[in-house]
Amino acid sequence: EAGVAQSPRYKIIEKRQSVAFWCNPISGHATLYWYQQILGQGPKLLIQFQNNGVVDDSQLPKDRFSAERLKGVDSTLKIQPAKLEDSAVYLCASSRPGGDGYTFGSGTRLTVV
Amino acid sequence: QQQVKQSPQSLIVQKGGISIINCAYENTAFDYFPWYQQFPGKGPALLIAIRPDVSEKKEGRFTISFNKSAKQFSLHIMDSQPGDSATYFCAAGSGNTGKLIFGQGTTLQVKP
Repeated sequence: EAGVAQSPRYKIIEKRQSVAFWCNPISGHATLYWYQQILGQGPKLLIQFQNNGVVDDSQLPKDRFSAERLKGVDSTLKIQPAKLEDSAVYLCASSRPGGDGYTFGSGTRLTVV
Repeated sequence: QQQVKQSPQSLIVQKGGISIINCAYENTAFDYFPWYQQFPGKGPALLIAIRPDVSEKKEGRFTISFNKSAKQFSLHIMDSQPGDSATYFCAAGSGNTGKLIFGQGTTLQVKP
């Protein structure tokens, strides 16, 4: 089966600009996750969707980050405005309900200058 | 508490040796404990996982040991190979929700 697709692979922006990341999960995976991985640290969950509904967004900085999953398939994560500390790899993962088949994409590396 | 503490931060092992990475968790509600392997430029890939109803799980050269009373679990890599050189993350979470809390990671280097 095809893996979790993410784009772009790399993005460099200036602080205060906006940026968006795209994720296409594995077909049939109802649950989609966005993680933030800062260099040298483990991934941190930002938001979890079940189909097109939000299950957990307690760690999402809602003043600048937003995410949506229209039609319960693809998802976009947006940052507006970006700060220097947002420099990280943004990982998308998907799974069947209950976590079965949990698979990560290769991520988008964001550099904010 | 939601933290997962992982040690050591880095590890150097000779080819053929045993690599051991340890993790400790705090939340007794966690019921799913996976280990992930991550190569540079790639996302984490599931290596092996355990549920708290067993104390050990082995898959090939990889073994998880789980101590529920101590709230600790560890990854053992037997006969370590240079191709095992990567960053390893432990995680803990709920098998029902799929939410995972990750450790800080261990960078493993296996010398030929």
